[in-house]
Amino acid sequence: DAGVIQSPRHEVTEMGQEVTLRCKPISGHNSLFWYRQTMMRGLELLIYFNNNVPIDDSGMPEDRFSAKMPNASFSTLKIQPSEPRDSAVYFCASSSQGHGNSPLHFGNGTRLTVT
Amino acid sequence: DQQVKQNSPSLSVQEGRISILNCDYTNSMFDYFLWYKKYPAEGPTFLISISSIKDKNEDGRFTVFLNKSAKHLSLHIVPSQPGDSAVYFCAAIQGGGADGLTFGKGTHLIIQP
Repeated sequence: DAGVIQSPRHEVTEMGQEVTLRCKPISGHNSLFWYRQTMMRGLELLIYFNNNVPIDDSGMPEDRFSAKMPNASFSTLKIQPSEPRDSAVYFCASSSQGHGNSPLHFGNGTRLTVT
Repeated sequence: DQQVKQNSPSLSVQEGRISILNCDYTNSMFDYFLWYKKYPAEGPTFLISISSIKDKNEDGRFTVFLNKSAKHLSLHIVPSQPGDSAVYFCAAIQGGGADGLTFGKGTHLIIQP
């Protein structure tokens, strides 16, 4: 079991550029979550998918953020245009049957720095 | 408005002693609680959980206690070991469904030799 795989591990970009973060969930998991971690706000849920369908995107901060899950093995989180306040660690997580008694499995995150 | 609060950003405990990490919540609809552990440059990993119908769950050196009336839970680690040094996140969920977990901001536990 390779776990949740995120890429890239680190991303440094200039303000105004488009950023795309990628995630491969654990095979067989039907729920996928994007979280953002900052010092001020801790771990915040941005959006989650069940069976590739976005269920709740109320945590997405602005229209500059968008997420897609074209199939069960791949998801992207895009920021366009990026701003310095988007600098954070972005985590992808997956689980089976939502949460309940099935804990989330997190990837190692993408550290985004926007200058 | 933080629904899950970990009021201690850091905690230092001597090796071999008991570590107690605390968590408070405000949403009475939460019915399942989890603790995650996070090492630097890694994602959080699941540690232990408890359902709201219980008041204690134990797994080896780790025990979680839930006080529903006080909306408070705690994680006890005994004895504490150097490898326990990490950031610990308390998380909660309601409805047992597919909603996202609500996390606290974390407590950085430092085990001193």
